[in-house]
Formats: sequence, structure tokens, C-alpha cells
Amino acid sequence: GAGVSQSPSNKVTEKGKDVELRCDPISGHTALYWYRQSLGQGLEFLIYFQGNSAPDKSGLPSDRFSAERTGGSVSTLTIQRTQQEDSAVYLCASSLLVQSYEQYFGPGTRLTVT
Amino acid sequence: AQTVTQSQPEMSVQEAETVTLSCTYDTSESDYYLFWYKQPPSRQMILVIRQEAYKQQNATENRFSVNFQKAAKSFSLKISDSQLGDAAMYFCAYQKGLGNFNKFYFGSGTKLNVKP
Repeated sequence: GAGVSQSPSNKVTEKGKDVELRCDPISGHTALYWYRQSLGQGLEFLIYFQGNSAPDKSGLPSDRFSAERTGGSVSTLTIQRTQQEDSAVYLCASSLLVQSYEQYFGPGTRLTVT
Repeated sequence: AQTVTQSQPEMSVQEAETVTLSCTYDTSESDYYLFWYKQPPSRQMILVIRQEAYKQQNATENRFSVNFQKAAKSFSLKISDSQLGDAAMYFCAYQKGLGNFNKFYFGSGTKLNVKP
């Protein structure tokens, strides 16, 4: 079946602009995660959605970052007033928690802020 | 807070040889899960192997096996008969068990080069 998809694949934006990154999880997966991966670094947890529960936003680095998940499926990560330090690859993952703790990752969105 | 440490930023192995990637973690939990993920240049993270902490037997998946030392909080990955396609970044990850699904903790990664 289809895996996790993310769009756009690459995004170049000017400092100060807002950007939206989209994630389509695997159908039926109840959990959805956003991570940030800076160049040469590991994955930094940003936010987690599980079903209808309140999301865990503890990893969001500032109030310029927000995310929503509509209808328990598609998720959008929004970065307002982008800064150069926001440049990174943003990865989305989904998980079917009932059977497995495995996360299935999308290919990521490479964000470059100029 | 949980931390995952990968002390080898980069390693190289000759094709067909065996290589071991190191990972240590810090936790006070007794029930948790450990993972190794592979990230090739395509950026697509792929699960390589998973270990449940309550299992004493080391997990294996074809050419990939782990050496899980719970008391030492060590979780190394052994790749046997290395292939060119194994070249990638490898990330060790930790997740709490017992319903604590909200966070995975990832190490900083080890870049594996495979020489023909």
C-alpha cells in the first residue's frame, strides 16, 4: 500500500515568510509525528498526534511553529516568520500503535530559508 | 530525560566484511523499545531492526543483528557481509514502553561507508 507522503519535497523561502508543510500518513495509522533534522544531526522531536487526544507539542522550538491534524489523517506543520535557523529537513512519521511501535517515515521536506 | 548516544560519527567497512555500530542510552525505565533505522541519501528512514527490552534474546534480521546488553544500556548493530547498498546514516532510537507512545529519542547517527 501507499506509504507516508510529504509535500513539497523541497521548499525555498525568504526569511520572514510563512511556510506550510504537508504530511499524508498511511491510511488507518492513528499516530503521527513530526521531526526536524538539521544538517548532519539526528532527529529532533517536534510534535505528536494520537487519535483525538490533545497533541504533545513539547518539542516545538518556538511559538512560530504550529501543527494541526485534520480528521485524524492529513497533518500540516506551519512555520511563521521563518528564520535561517529553521532550514532543515522536516520528517513526518506515522504509526499503527495497536500492533507495532514501528514508525513509518515519509521522505521529508527540505526547507531552505534564504 | 532519555538520551541516546552514538559515539561513532562515521565508519567505513570493506564490502563483504562485518561492521558493528555502537549505541548507548540512558533510562530509568525497565520496559522500553530500541530501534535501528537506516537513512540512505534518499532521506527515507527505514526500520532495520527492533528489540523489546523484556526479551533477552538478541534480535536478528538476515544480515543485521544486535547485541543488546540491558544492564550496560548498550544496543549495538552488527552488519554482516556488508553490501554497497548498506551505505547510509544509521540512527539508534529509544522509545518508552507501556503505552508511552509520544516520543522517540534518536541518536545523532553514524554514517556508514562501504568500500568496494
